[in-house]
Amino acid sequence: AQSVTQPDIHITVSEGASLELRCNYSYGATPYLFWYVQSPGQGLQLLLKYFSGDTLVQGIKGFEAEFKRSQSSFNLRKPSVHWSDAAEYFCAVGATNDYKLSFGAGTTVTVRA
Amino acid sequence: DAGVTQSPTHLIKTRGQQVTLRCSPKSGHDTVSWYQQALGQGPQFIFQYYEEEERQRGNFPDRFSGHQFPNYSSELNVNALLLGDSALYLCASSQTAYEQYFGPGTRLTVT
Repeated sequence: AQSVTQPDIHITVSEGASLELRCNYSYGATPYLFWYVQSPGQGLQLLLKYFSGDTLVQGIKGFEAEFKRSQSSFNLRKPSVHWSDAAEYFCAVGATNDYKLSFGAGTTVTVRA
Repeated sequence: DAGVTQSPTHLIKTRGQQVTLRCSPKSGHDTVSWYQQALGQGPQFIFQYYEEEERQRGNFPDRFSGHQFPNYSSELNVNALLLGDSALYLCASSQTAYEQYFGPGTRLTVT
């Protein structure tokens, strides 16, 4: 069964600094990987996805993520954080013929001025 | 283009009651999935509907049931509510099974 681990429960970053959120997954074949963002009391917004091909994927709001098969990781990065990036971030994994998404527990990002 | 919509936004029910939550998918999407998100946790998959049939189910009891209508909208029904059913219920729609777009959720409180 798939599983997703987000090792960092909470990260605080200064506005303008870079951000990296870690995600490790467990799955035998090549997974489909996603990052979602959730603002307080809101639903989930898809930031980016990886299905196949180029292992560096670009998403919305200036985010990017890199798929590293050897490390079973799909880390999310942003070069310069804005105060509006404060939110909870979820990594999710899907797989061929398994229609559910399995989510990590999330990482809360706080942005300080 | 409207995204995924859900109703109601908030709901308060008493233990033992039944509840129905509704979801309208994004235009052009034919697949609807439901997730439960408890406070401080990631969403957990309840089930997915495609062509008006339940295609896959997560580890949830039979008290959780659903339906998909010919216009692709969907309902989630929960019977015999427990305190532990208090959560944010998220609907996601997709054109393929994998790239899922989420609605704003329905916050259910069971007292």
